[in-house]
Order: sequence, then structure tokens, then C-alpha cells
Amino acid sequence: GAGVSQSPSNKVTEKGKDVELRCDPISGHTALYWYRQSLGQGLEFLIYFQGNSAPDKSGLPSDRFSAERTGGSVSTLTIQRTQQEDSAVYLCASSLVPGQGDTQYFGPGTRLTVL
Amino acid sequence: GNSVTQMEGPVTLSEEAFLTINCTYTATGYPSLFWYVQYPGEGLQLLLKATKADDKGSNKGFEATYRKETTSFHLEKGSVQVSDSAVYFCALSRGSGNQFYFGTGTSLTVIP
Repeated sequence: GAGVSQSPSNKVTEKGKDVELRCDPISGHTALYWYRQSLGQGLEFLIYFQGNSAPDKSGLPSDRFSAERTGGSVSTLTIQRTQQEDSAVYLCASSLVPGQGDTQYFGPGTRLTVL
Repeated sequence: GNSVTQMEGPVTLSEEAFLTINCTYTATGYPSLFWYVQYPGEGLQLLLKATKADDKGSNKGFEATYRKETTSFHLEKGSVQVSDSAVYFCALSRGSGNQFYFGTGTSLTVIP
């Protein structure tokens, strides 16, 4: 079966532009997570979805970041007015349920570069 | 709060050497613990996990034991291969949504 997919794989944008990053989780997985991997910060949790709702948005670094999930499947992470410090690899993961101990399956990531 | 402290790298070993990568954690309650691996040019993959104290996770010759008394989950392998060259991440899951808290990663290079 297909794993978690993300698009685009690479995105280069200019400072101040908006970007949208897409994640397609494993079919049937109800939980979806976004993380950011950046130099100096390691891997940080951003937000998670249970179905279409986001009970925990505590990791979003600013109000320029938002995310949604539709149909219990695809999720989009939007960054408005991008800044250079937003440059990172954005990883999406999914799990069958958001239960402790459940394995999260990661996508290949989107590398975002803000010039 | 929840956090993971992982041995800093990079680590360079000769083939067939013994590997230990240290990982300690701080968490409220009783987390689940994971090791993920990222091979060059690939995404994060689960290597092994343990969900309660004294559990041992194992896979591909790697092992780690969940030690509650020392809040540790050290990764070990008796004889590394060149193909084990990768970045290894220790993580715990905790919180209402099972979100992960990762260590900073340890880069391992195995030379023939």
C-alpha cells in the first residue's frame, strides 16, 4: 500500500509570499501530524489532527501558520508572508489512531527555502 | 515538560564495531519510546519502540530497553555494518494526541 506522500518535494519562494504544503496520509489513518525539521531546532511538533479537527495547535510558531484537513484525509499546511526563518523541511506523519505507542509513519518531507 | 536528550554526534565506527547511542528523556507520566532512522536521501522510518517500562524493542540487530529508573532508552547494536550509516532519532510520545518529542539526532557513519 501507499505510504504518506507530500507535495511539493521542494519549494523555493520569496520572502513575503504565501505557500501551501500538502500531505496525503495513509488510507484509513485517522491521526495526522505536521513537524518541522530545521538546523539548530531539530524536529519540532507543529500540529495534529484527529479526523478533521485539530485538538492541539500548540506547536505552530506564529499566526502566519495554519493547517486544515478535509474529508479525514488530505491536509494542507499554509504559511503566510513567509520569512527566512521558515526555511526548513516540513514533515507529515500519520497513524491509525492518536494512541500512545502507535507508530507514526512519515512522509518524505517538503523542503522549503525562503529567499 | 516533555523532552529527549540524545548523544551528540557525529559518530564514526569501523564495520563490526559495537554501537551505543545514548538517549534519556523527561516526561510527565509514562511515555512510549521510539527510535527512528533516516537513511541518506530517505524519510524517517521506525526502527523500534517500547511502550512500557522494562520492554525491549528490537529490529535489524538493534535493541533498546525502556528503563524507567534511569529514564533512558539507549540504542545498541553488537556489530554495525556500512549499511547502518544514517541519522538516528530518539523520540517519546506523550500528550493528548500522541505527538512526538524528538532528540536532535545522531549521525552514524560506518567505515569498511
